[in-house]
Parts: sequence; structure tokens; C-alpha cells
Amino acid sequence: NAGVTQTPKFQVLKTGQSMTLQCAQDMNHEYMSWYRQDPGMGLRLIHYSVGAGITDQGEVPNGYNVSRSTTEDFPLRLLSAAPSQTSVYFCASSYGTGAFFGQGTRLTVV
Amino acid sequence: SQELEQSPQSLIVQEGKNLTINCTSSKTLYGLYWYKQKYGEGLIFLMMLQKGGEEKSHEKITAKLDEKKQQSSLHITASQPSHAGIYLCGAISNAGGTSYGKLTFGQGTILTVHP
Repeated sequence: NAGVTQTPKFQVLKTGQSMTLQCAQDMNHEYMSWYRQDPGMGLRLIHYSVGAGITDQGEVPNGYNVSRSTTEDFPLRLLSAAPSQTSVYFCASSYGTGAFFGQGTRLTVV
Repeated sequence: SQELEQSPQSLIVQEGKNLTINCTSSKTLYGLYWYKQKYGEGLIFLMMLQKGGEEKSHEKITAKLDEKKQQSSLHITASQPSHAGIYLCGAISNAGGTSYGKLTFGQGTILTVHP
């Protein structure tokens, strides 16, 4: 099983550019989430979804959009990249007794 | 908001030694997840604890949940170099299904195991 697949693994953006981080899961989990991991800040929740068509904001949602049209996919959109969005982004897929993470996307905004 | 504090922040042990990592919550724990992360890689799910007094094991790693103390401990028996990495705890802050997608994490414990 692939589990949670994130693409791309690495990305460099210029300030002001937009892009979409892709996340797909093949475990038929209802819950999916996006986190960012920064040195000294730990993992922080950006957005999450409890099912297709339902999303909500987490702790640090500004500058990011999400949508969930299918159970499998949960893309994260950066609307206008800023250097403060330089981070490692993780997508997670979860159910009642487990939460599984992708390998991460390392994003640098210059 | 819920906060998780992990201790110690870093740990260096000799191969073969036992060790314990603690995760203490500022609020009631409804579910506690343990992960291992290698530098530059994703989080590997180890186990989840939901009930007070619950104890689970994964190979030589055992985790317990103390509901009254709002704390979980992760114990590694006879540590090996392969156990080295960052151990993270994550928690659900509310009961109920919608919380499973919303985890709060501790800062992590960096474990080094010398051969």
C-alpha cells in the first residue's frame, strides 16, 4: 500500500508565486490534515478535513487554502508565497486509532 | 489551547541501555499518539493510546497512558542504534470523531544511541 503520498518532495518558489502541494491517501480515511514543521515551533496544524466537502482551519491557516472534493485527495494551495512559508509540510490521513503521515514537502520561498 | 511538553529534550544513551521519554499535557488527554522521525524524513506512526492505564508495545518500545497525570511515557528496552531519531507525541484535544484530524504536538525528544 502506498499510504499517504505527497508531491513534490522539494520545491523552491519566488515570493509572490502560487503553487499547490498534492496529498493523496489510499486507505479510505475520513480525516486528512496539513501541518507545517519549523525548527523550534514543532508541528502546527494548518487545515484539516473530516470528509469530502468539509474543511476547517487549524492553528496557522493564513496564506493557505484547501479543498476536499474526494476522500483520497487533499491539496494545499499557497496563494502568494512568502519567505515565512519556508517550511517542511506534512500531510496526514487518520481514523479512530491511527494517524499516518506522508514523507513531507520541503518548501523554500526566496 | 492544549500544550504538550516532552522531556527530556534530548537524550544520549549507550547501546543496550533502557530509556524513558515523557509527554505531559496541559489538558485532558483523549488520545495520545507516538511517532518516530528521522532527520529529513516523515513521521513513522508507532502507536496510539486512548484509555487511562492503557499500555501498548511495538517491538522493544512500550508506551503507557496515565489519564490522571495527563501524561504518557515511552519506554525503550535495550536500546539499539536503530532507535535513534526524534520521538514526537501528538494528542487529540477533544473527545469525538472530528478531533481525529487535529493533533497538537510536543517539541520532540532527540535520541542518540552510541554503539
